[in-house]
Amino acid sequence: SQTIHQWPATLVQPVGSPLSLECTVEGTSNPNLYWYRQAAGRGLQLLFYSVGIGQISSEVPQNLSASRPQDRQFILSSKKLLLSDSGFYLCAWEGQGRGTEAFFGQGTRLTVV
Amino acid sequence: GENVEQHPSTLSVQEGDSAVIKCTYSDSASNYFPWYKQELGKGPQLIIDIRSNVGEKKDQRIAVTLNKTAKHFSLHITETQPEDSAVYFCAAAGGTSYGKLTFGQGTILTVHP
Repeated sequence: SQTIHQWPATLVQPVGSPLSLECTVEGTSNPNLYWYRQAAGRGLQLLFYSVGIGQISSEVPQNLSASRPQDRQFILSSKKLLLSDSGFYLCAWEGQGRGTEAFFGQGTRLTVV
Repeated sequence: GENVEQHPSTLSVQEGDSAVIKCTYSDSASNYFPWYKQELGKGPQLIIDIRSNVGEKKDQRIAVTLNKTAKHFSLHITETQPEDSAVYFCAAAGGTSYGKLTFGQGTILTVHP
């Protein structure tokens, strides 16, 4: 069966520090991968998605970037964090091109101080 | 782009009662409408979804209805239980990429024993 892993679960970082959040998927190949952010008390907002290695589409201009160095690995990064980057970051995957459901990881709670 | 509105923002019911959450969407090209349940500190979990070629779908105590003409869809939970308490999100997607979702703002459902 397919599983999705995100780490770390929680992270507290000072303003101006770099960020690297990692997401990996097991049990599937060539998935579509997504990064979402959820601000406190609000819905989820799509940040980036990827349909293959090295292919990244950005939905919202911001202080963050994404990379997909391997088929089942998706990384969210920042060179210098802002206070406004605080939130709950969620990775999701779906089977590519088959119109299948999207499944979410357990998320990373990022607090920028 | 797509815009999804969700109501109510909070819903409080007694155990055994029914709960209804409603969403409207703006993009007539959207063809996939999932509902996610999110418990505190966890990632969203898909509970039911409906595609645009179907008007209603039911899974035990949960049902979803879709009115394409009016561009609205609803989640119905019958015989609510305290473990149904969570935040519920509706979402919409178009094309064949069901992970590229636009979410509503969420409904906090509280079921009182």
